[in-house]
Amino acid sequence: DSGVTQTPKHLITATGQRVTLRCSPRSGDLSVYWYQQSLDQGLQFLIQYYNGEERAKGNILERFSAQQFPDLHSELNLSSLELGDSALYFCASTVEAHAPGGYTFGSGTRLTVV
Amino acid sequence: DAKTTQPNSMESNEEEPVHLPCNHSTISGTDYIHWYRQLPSQGPEYVIHGLTSNVNNRMASLAIAEDRKSSTLILHRATLRDAAVYYCILRDVGYGGSQGNLIFGKGTKLSVKP
Repeated sequence: DSGVTQTPKHLITATGQRVTLRCSPRSGDLSVYWYQQSLDQGLQFLIQYYNGEERAKGNILERFSAQQFPDLHSELNLSSLELGDSALYFCASTVEAHAPGGYTFGSGTRLTVV
Repeated sequence: DAKTTQPNSMESNEEEPVHLPCNHSTISGTDYIHWYRQLPSQGPEYVIHGLTSNVNNRMASLAIAEDRKSSTLILHRATLRDAAVYYCILRDVGYGGSQGNLIFGKGTKLSVKP
């Protein structure tokens, strides 16, 4: 157990639907990062939050959004789902954005869009 | 963003040392060298990081060239559980645009033969 908790572990849904992925960071970590990993794209950085505020955006689609709540957990919302959104979604956390130490990753949510 | 170059794949025999190379010729002064590994269907796992000096931990050693333009991750005795994709990443902890995000490349797929 890395200390980063992601739920659900697996999700199967239909095209056009909306889903919410949840991430609880490791205790004491303020910064949360979301990544998408599909077979042909590798690990793609989506978005970063620090203490409730958005800090950086990567290759995140407009259909996707995220937020970090006062208790520091984060949710990634994916809407108007397409077949190509099927992927593993990972959340990671660090103490703060500019600390040099490593990220702690969760075990991911496997999303299958049918 | 500063980039790294790694071999696509490497092979090793069990219980032998493994040296995984990484080139990062455009590294800047605020870039830390990070290594992560990812086993199939799991989240990336932090291995080690360093700035200028060689580093050791329970998992591996990191040897950094004097000019910082290359580094080598050393697994002292490879086991079958070390078979994974290894990512060498530069993490900029300066207060510029990258916000310390980890940008993953394709990494090196390490195979370990019994």
